[in-house]
Amino acid sequence: DAGVIQSPRHEVTEMGQEVTLRCKPISGHNSLFWYRQTMMRGLELLIYFNNNVPIDDSGMPEDRFSAKMPNASFSTLKIQPSEPRDSAVYFCASSLEGQRGEETQYFGPGTRLLVL
Amino acid sequence: KQEVTQIPAALSVPEGENLVLNCSFTDSAIYNLQWFRQDPGKGLTSLLLIQSSQREQTSGRLNASLDKSSGRSTLYIAASQPGDSATYLCAASGTYKYIFGTGTRLKVLA
Repeated sequence: DAGVIQSPRHEVTEMGQEVTLRCKPISGHNSLFWYRQTMMRGLELLIYFNNNVPIDDSGMPEDRFSAKMPNASFSTLKIQPSEPRDSAVYFCASSLEGQRGEETQYFGPGTRLLVL
Repeated sequence: KQEVTQIPAALSVPEGENLVLNCSFTDSAIYNLQWFRQDPGKGLTSLLLIQSSQREQTSGRLNASLDKSSGRSTLYIAASQPGDSATYLCAASGTYKYIFGTGTRLKVLA
């Protein structure tokens, strides 16, 4: 298996521009997670999908952030408009979740976003 | 609210040493605790997952223990090697939600 695939790997944009990050989870996994990692705040969960349905979006910073999962093999995280404080590494992870959520999460390589 | 703390924040050891990384969590009602490795500029790789009913897990030179009552987990690395240099993160899970520690940055000197 190719693992979790994220694109782009690096993104540099100017403040106010729209940014779209993409994720392809591991085939057969039913749960998908978007995380953000910064030096100040560490790794934070932004949103969690189960069977393509958003279950917990309490970590989404504000209305400028939105995420979709139109099917089991694709998800996007969009920032519009972007701001310099959004600069971070954004990770996508997937898992095959059972009843107790004891399954390992597999992380993608991340997208390094720099907003100027 | 679950909080996860890792001590020390950074560690430098000579090759061959056995070492222990510490992780503490405030809410003992966890489903599992997982240890990850993160190399610079890379994603996270799962090392060991300990379910709430277990006390420890082993994989090669790595051994992770879990004591829910005291809110602690340790990752033991035997005979450390330069290739073990990375940041190690622990994450406490309540159902799907992982709360991550800030990590221990390990450097093993040749």
